[in-house]
Amino acid sequence: GQSLEQPSEVTAVEGAIVQINCTYQTSGFYGLSWYQQHDGGAPTFLSYNALDGLEETGRFSSFLSRSDSYGYLLLQELQMKDSASYFCAFTNTNAGKSTFGDGTTLTVKP
Amino acid sequence: ETGVTQSPTHLIKTRGQQVTLRCSSQSGHNTVSWYQQALGQGPQFIFQYYREEENGRGNFPPRFSGLQFPNYSSELNVNALELDDSALYLCASSFSGGEDYGYTFGSGTRLTVV
Repeated sequence: GQSLEQPSEVTAVEGAIVQINCTYQTSGFYGLSWYQQHDGGAPTFLSYNALDGLEETGRFSSFLSRSDSYGYLLLQELQMKDSASYFCAFTNTNAGKSTFGDGTTLTVKP
Repeated sequence: ETGVTQSPTHLIKTRGQQVTLRCSSQSGHNTVSWYQQALGQGPQFIFQYYREEENGRGNFPPRFSGLQFPNYSSELNVNALELDDSALYLCASSFSGGEDYGYTFGSGTRLTVV
């Protein structure tokens, strides 16, 4: 079957670093994406990893290990506005659709 | 460039009725995907359209159907509405072959079935 696992909630303080892990199970894996969604808003694309390693985009970095079926999103210098839900999603070779996890709610405290 | 726009933003329907949701994709995108997001859960894939044809379908019954038009806009139709269909319906456009750019989501249609 196909599935993704990520923690349901994470709490951190402003200025800190937080890592949100994601493990997945699927056949025909193509890549792993990360999305941010604020309450009442649309998911916003953050990053995509097709190859093993780290991708850095400003304060956000994403990592993928295909052999371990594992990835993570790293958020540095946390700001209050980073409080949101974060979803990992894999794309497989089946028509390029993305399958999403249930999301991790990040709460940033002062 | 314009983003993805969905209409209506909110909708209340009665069980058994039919509903049509609309989506205009982002300029330059040729693929539209529809997702259902229940409260507290991740988006669940309904189906995807590419070149006006269904290009993959999730675990949703046939009463969920769709269309894509030559201008890449799309409709999601749901017949015989059930209470469990109450959710946020998200349209996402993308460029086939451009997975590294991800989906661009619209703000969604909040459907309530009573």
